[in-house]
Amino acid sequence: AQSVTQPDIHITVSEGASLELRCNYSYGATPYLFWYVQSPGQGLQLLLKYFSGDTLVQGIKGFEAEFKRSQSSFNLRKPSVHWSDAAEYFCAVGDREYGNKLVFGAGTILRVKS
Amino acid sequence: EAQVTQNPRYLITVTGKKLTVTCSQNMNHEYMSWYRQDPGLGLRQIYYSMNVEVTDKGDVPEGYKVSRKEKRNFPLILESPSPNQTSLYFCASSLNGLSSYNSPLHFGNGTRLTVT
Repeated sequence: AQSVTQPDIHITVSEGASLELRCNYSYGATPYLFWYVQSPGQGLQLLLKYFSGDTLVQGIKGFEAEFKRSQSSFNLRKPSVHWSDAAEYFCAVGDREYGNKLVFGAGTILRVKS
Repeated sequence: EAQVTQNPRYLITVTGKKLTVTCSQNMNHEYMSWYRQDPGLGLRQIYYSMNVEVTDKGDVPEGYKVSRKEKRNFPLILESPSPNQTSLYFCASSLNGLSSYNSPLHFGNGTRLTVT
């Protein structure tokens, strides 16, 4: 069964600084990969996804992520963080064999200091 | 407006008292799913449904039931709630399942359940 690890529970960055959130997965083949963001009191919003092809994917709000098969990673990046990016971020892995099961990581809480 | 609507947003109940959390979507989506969110554990899938009368277990189905009698509705039923089911619950839907690139998940705003 697939699993997802987000090693950082909390991250604090200064506004305008770059950001990288880590995600590692365990899966026998190439999975579907997703990043979601959750603002307080809200549901989850999809930031970006990887299914196949170009390993660098662009998402909404200026985010991007890179799939690295050799490292089983799908790290999320943003070159310049805005205060409104403060939220909780979840990496998720979809199973290509059991296509409708989705496994989430434990999440990373991002704090932005001005 | 396209949305997934959950009710209620907050619910406090006592052990053993049956409850239902409703979920409705207005996008004619085939796929619907329930998740629970607990601190440090992320979201875990409870049940999902690919279409009317088709439901499957997720990773944590024990203590929960679902039904899909109509395409738009996917209620979550707790026949005999226990304190370990205190959690934040999310319903989500997508056009035709997670394996389709153009079928992203749409989430409701959550239901915070407390079982005492």
